[in-house]
Amino acid sequence: EVQLVESGGGLVQPGRSLKLSCAASGFTYSNYVMAWVRQAPTKGLEWVASISTGGGNTYYRDSVKGRFTISRDNAKNTLYLQIDSLRSEDTATYYCAKDVYYEGYFDYWGQGVMVTVSS
Amino acid sequence: DTVLTQSPALAVSPGERVSISCRASEGVNSYMHWYQQKPGQQPKLLIYKASNLASGVPARFSGSGSGTDFTLTIDPVEADDTATYFCQQSWNDPPTFGAGTKLELK
Repeated sequence: EVQLVESGGGLVQPGRSLKLSCAASGFTYSNYVMAWVRQAPTKGLEWVASISTGGGNTYYRDSVKGRFTISRDNAKNTLYLQIDSLRSEDTATYYCAKDVYYEGYFDYWGQGVMVTVSS
Repeated sequence: DTVLTQSPALAVSPGERVSISCRASEGVNSYMHWYQQKPGQQPKLLIYKASNLASGVPARFSGSGSGTDFTLTIDPVEADDTATYFCQQSWNDPPTFGAGTKLELK
């Protein structure tokens, strides 16, 4: 059974940093592109970043470039999202998602982790 | 970015057929996908690449369309289908989602 379990969220002050983790199991993690998708409270879904199977290629939405860093550890089956210079508009539930062979859609999602940016 | 416009909230009775639309601001070939999200839960993939049923999804769900106009159909609707439905395209960068269509049962 595929499982994606996020952690690392919480209440953070504007300008601070946070690192989210996503532990994957039930599939050959190193074979799949992985992504982070976020959802602001009562809002829609927004793709944030993706990372290639080996980690050598990363992709970001424009609004987070330079502040967010996606990475992965294939030995630990874990995906990460480093978020720096947090802003109020980053407040959202962050989902880890498994891509389908570079097709750009997501067949499995984690339960999500909440990040709240507030002073 | 490719903007995806979805039909507004819909209310239907169990047993009826419902169609949820998604229009893209530019062509996305067949790379349109549909997700179901229930309150407090993560999204679930229903349909991929316009018309392919995801694993484990009931055959009551179907998808159609190409280019810029796509439809998710549920027939017949069941009480458990109360949820928000999102379309997503992955043909153009960045991947984008529609705002969602909230389906309510009468």
